[in-house]
Amino acid sequence: AQTVTQSQPEMSVQEAETVTLSCTYDTSESNYYLFWYKQPPSRQMILVIRQEAYKQQNATENRFSVNFQKAAKSFSLKISDSQLGDTAMYFCAFENTGNQFYFGTGTSLTVIP
Amino acid sequence: GAGVSQSPSNKVTEKGKDVELRCDPISGHTALYWYRQRLGQGLEFLIYFQGNSAPDKSGLPSDRFSAERTGESVSTLTIQRTQQEDSAVYLCASSLGLAGVSSYNEQFFGPGTRLTVL
Repeated sequence: AQTVTQSQPEMSVQEAETVTLSCTYDTSESNYYLFWYKQPPSRQMILVIRQEAYKQQNATENRFSVNFQKAAKSFSLKISDSQLGDTAMYFCAFENTGNQFYFGTGTSLTVIP
Repeated sequence: GAGVSQSPSNKVTEKGKDVELRCDPISGHTALYWYRQRLGQGLEFLIYFQGNSAPDKSGLPSDRFSAERTGESVSTLTIQRTQQEDSAVYLCASSLGLAGVSSYNEQFFGPGTRLTVL
């Protein structure tokens, strides 16, 4: 079975600074997909960024980037130039080739003005 | 519609009553998922539908929970004889359900139903 671990229940960052959220996972599969989702107080889950395990290049979406270390089974999210609107719960997720999803327990990020 | 919709948005019920939650996925999405999210917690997988295949019910916490899906459209999650520990937000998500090495499937989430059992 796959497991996803987010070891930081809460984090805070000053506005305009950079923060990194950690995620590790456990799987015996070689092909899979990884995602970071954001859940603001409105409760609506939004996809932030995705990474295909067979791609070595780290995914980037504007201020969001990942550090994907396949051998270490690590998938951290870096948020640059943090904005107040980045305050939310962030969930790391794993999808196997059978379309089954596994979510971490989340990291609550607060951006401080 | 443009996104996943869920109804009702909020439901308050008395302990012991049955409740039915509805999810309308994005048209064309063959995969549909139900999750439970307790206050301040992560997402707990409940059930997964993929096309006409038998659903993956491995996450249902007890036999009081059941779900149905009509073809590739609407799904209903039913909780019988509700208990206070059932209080949570119930999230539905859908995806294209593509299989294979090069086919990732972004999940699109609904706004959730907040269930409160008194």
